[in-house]
Amino acid sequence: EDQVTQSPEALRLQEGESSSLNCSYTVSGLRGLFWYRQDPGKGPEFLFTLYSAGEEKEKERLKATLTKKESFLHITAPKPEDSATYLCAVQPNDYKLSFGAGTTVTVRA
Amino acid sequence: AAGVIQSPRHLIKEKRETATLKCYPIPRHDTVYWYQQGPGQDPQFLISFYEKMQSDKGSIPDRFSAQQFSDYHSELNMSSLELGDSALYFCASSLGGEETQYFGPGTRLLVL
Repeated sequence: EDQVTQSPEALRLQEGESSSLNCSYTVSGLRGLFWYRQDPGKGPEFLFTLYSAGEEKEKERLKATLTKKESFLHITAPKPEDSATYLCAVQPNDYKLSFGAGTTVTVRA
Repeated sequence: AAGVIQSPRHLIKEKRETATLKCYPIPRHDTVYWYQQGPGQDPQFLISFYEKMQSDKGSIPDRFSAQQFSDYHSELNMSSLELGDSALYFCASSLGGEETQYFGPGTRLLVL
């Protein structure tokens, strides 16, 4: 069965304090690994898709990387507006997404 | 850019009542997915449709049914509602073989 584990569950950062979120996964054939951002009561907002080990993608202060067993989301010099829950999801050979429980990031000014 | 539209945004029902949730995918997207997110939980896949045909099925109760129409919008029908059905229901859409799913704002269902 596909499994996605995210750590830590919660992360409190000072503005400008860089950090990384981890997503480890076991899946029978990986079509893609996805990162989403979710604000309370809202739908997940797409951030990145990673397809193969070694791949990296960047968007503003966020950078996602992928290995064969895990993915990292690096937040560089975060701002309060980066506060959200970050969800990792894997897509095996079918198309449905299996999500991790998320990491809730709080950035204090 | 146009996004996924869901209606209604909020819905309050009594136990044993019926609810219908609607999803309008991003224009030209032909695949629709439904997810349920309970309080403090991650989204759980319910069902998906591609070109109006059911393409995959997850942990969807038998009391729920869904379909995709000729204009690609989808409806999730929920009958004999239970307290445990209270959750956020998200619809996502994608274009054919593309993997990335774009989510709507969700429908918050409260069953009293």
